[in-house]
Amino acid sequence: EVQLVESGGGVVQPGGSLRLSCAASGFTFDDYAMHWVRQAPGKGLEWVSLISGDGGSTYYADSVKGRFTISRDNSKNSLYLQMNSLRTEDTALYYCAKGLLGFPGVPDYWGQGTLVTVSS
Amino acid sequence: DIQMTQSPSSVSASVGDRVTITCRASQGISSWLAWYQQKPGKAPKLLIYAASSLQSGVPSRFSGSGSGTDFTLTISSLQPEDFATYYCQQANSFPPAFGGGTKVEIK
Repeated sequence: EVQLVESGGGVVQPGGSLRLSCAASGFTFDDYAMHWVRQAPGKGLEWVSLISGDGGSTYYADSVKGRFTISRDNSKNSLYLQMNSLRTEDTALYYCAKGLLGFPGVPDYWGQGTLVTVSS
Repeated sequence: DIQMTQSPSSVSASVGDRVTITCRASQGISSWLAWYQQKPGKAPKLLIYAASSLQSGVPSRFSGSGSGTDFTLTISSLQPEDFATYYCQQANSFPPAFGGGTKVEIK
């Protein structure tokens, strides 16, 4: 059974940093691209970032480019999102999601999310 | 960037009704479209990928169609557990944008 468990969320002041983690199990982690997708309170889904299975390719939404860094440690079956220069508009529930085999741009399994609140 | 527009933003329907949701891409995306269902307080669930391929375990009352810029998600006979918000997502190019969502409510 695929399991994705996010952690690392919390309250941070504008301009601060936070590192999210996602522990994966139930599948061969390094075979799959991985996503971060966020959802502001009461709003829709916003794709944030993707990393290829080998970690060699990364992609970002314009809204986070230059501030967020996605990475993975395949030896630990873990995905990360380093978030710097946080803004109030980054407040959201952050989901880790696994890419569908053959369709890496499609998240098929999602974690339950970790809440990031950016507030002074 | 490709923009995704869903309509309607909400729909009221009864159990047993046929419900159709539309998604339009700002430029052609071939069949690179997925549909998700999200219930309150829960993570999204993939229903359909490649415009019309049903994800494993998803009931056959859900179907998808379309290519290019215009796509539809159809629920052939709405069940109580289908009341939720539905999102489309293009996977043709980065960033893989989501539509704004369609809330299916009980009439």
